[in-house]
Amino acid sequence: DQQVKQNSPSLSVQEGRISILNCDYTNSMFDYFLWYKKYPAEGPTFLISISSIKDKNEDGRFTVFLNKSAKHLSLHIVPSQPGDSAVYFCAASGPNNQGGKLIFGQGTELSVKP
Amino acid sequence: DTEVTQTPKHLVMGMTNKKSLKCEQHMGHRAMYWYKQKAKKPPELMFVYSYEKLSINESVPSRFSPECPNSSLLNLHLHALQPEDSALYLCASSPFAGTYNEQFFGPGTRLTVL
Repeated sequence: DQQVKQNSPSLSVQEGRISILNCDYTNSMFDYFLWYKKYPAEGPTFLISISSIKDKNEDGRFTVFLNKSAKHLSLHIVPSQPGDSAVYFCAASGPNNQGGKLIFGQGTELSVKP
Repeated sequence: DTEVTQTPKHLVMGMTNKKSLKCEQHMGHRAMYWYKQKAKKPPELMFVYSYEKLSINESVPSRFSPECPNSSLLNLHLHALQPEDSALYLCASSPFAGTYNEQFFGPGTRLTVL
């Protein structure tokens, strides 16, 4: 039972344009969401997070939007750069009694073309 | 110091060998994690240590034995592994084991079991 889903395994975008990566979740108890970026042969790097009490969080070129009623979040990267090419994982964290367990989506491989 | 380090970077072992993976952080974090990641898959949680005590074991086989000697160090002892245990093993840390905080990942150890 996949509680966090990223339905697009890959995405290709032109440099300078917007990249939109999507993530859906099924468990309404999740209340904190994170995006990680991963290059091959490296560990995931934290990008941005959002709490369920907010619907938007912005950090430079990265913005995460949360739609709780739809159980959907998205990561917007504007403008996209070739160095953004990587696999992006969304992750969800439940209540504190779950001890910080993160549930990851399957990942979306972003390719930004010059 | 804002990084998680892992050694070795690569490890090849036979099914009868005993080896250990090491993880270190000096960010004062009190939660540390082991994840396993297979190719083209998301990281899967194995163990969580909170204040040097094992708080979560995700039903991991006993051939994997975690150890947290102090708040900065986390080991994963390996014994009698199977070829299907070949994967990238990721260590992570966070300020505490709970929601609303980010986990910071190390670069991983690429393990091959022959």
